[in-house]
Amino acid sequence: DQQVKQNSPSLSVQEGRISILNCDYTNSMFDYFLWYKKYPAEGPTFLISISSIKDKNEDGRFTVFLNKSAKHLSLHIVPSQPGDSAVYFCAAITGNQFYFGTGTSLTVIP
Amino acid sequence: EAGVAQSPRYKIIEKRQSVAFWCNPISGHATLYWYQQILGQGPKLLIQFQNNGVVDDSQLPKDRFSAERLKGVDSTLKIQPAKLEDSAVYLCASSLGTGVVYGYTFGSGTRLTVV
Repeated sequence: DQQVKQNSPSLSVQEGRISILNCDYTNSMFDYFLWYKKYPAEGPTFLISISSIKDKNEDGRFTVFLNKSAKHLSLHIVPSQPGDSAVYFCAAITGNQFYFGTGTSLTVIP
Repeated sequence: EAGVAQSPRYKIIEKRQSVAFWCNPISGHATLYWYQQILGQGPKLLIQFQNNGVVDDSQLPKDRFSAERLKGVDSTLKIQPAKLEDSAVYLCASSLGTGVVYGYTFGSGTRLTVV
């Protein structure tokens, strides 16, 4: 049972434009949501998180939005840079358990 | 700060053979996790240690997988015997505690190919 879903396996964006990565979840008990970035042959690295009691968290070029009523999470990257090309995983936490989405491969075209 | 170290980086074995992976977490990190990531899927938790005790191993296929964390530091994950469907990247992660406020760091993973 996939409790966290990323329905877009890939996304291509022109450099300088906005990248929007989406994530949907089914469990209303999730406490925190996180985004991880993964380059090939490396482990995922933490990018940004948001508590379930907030609807927005911003860190530099990265902003995460949470819509609890829609059970939807999104990551905005503005402006997108070629170095942002990677696989992005969203994850949700309840208790000690992490649930990961299947990932979205972002390609930023120079 | 040194990251989470894993070895080997790559391993190719034949089905029914045995294989072991090693993980050295960040110094002082009490919690250690092993994840299995199959191509096209998100990481799936196999086992979680708090110091040298097991917190969660509900998704570990115990008939063939085993893991230990002696002395609450390094950990090994073993598969015996391996099946074709075990081909995946095995990720180790560690954190200071079990809450998200402590952060969560992944190693580079071991890519296992079973032929």
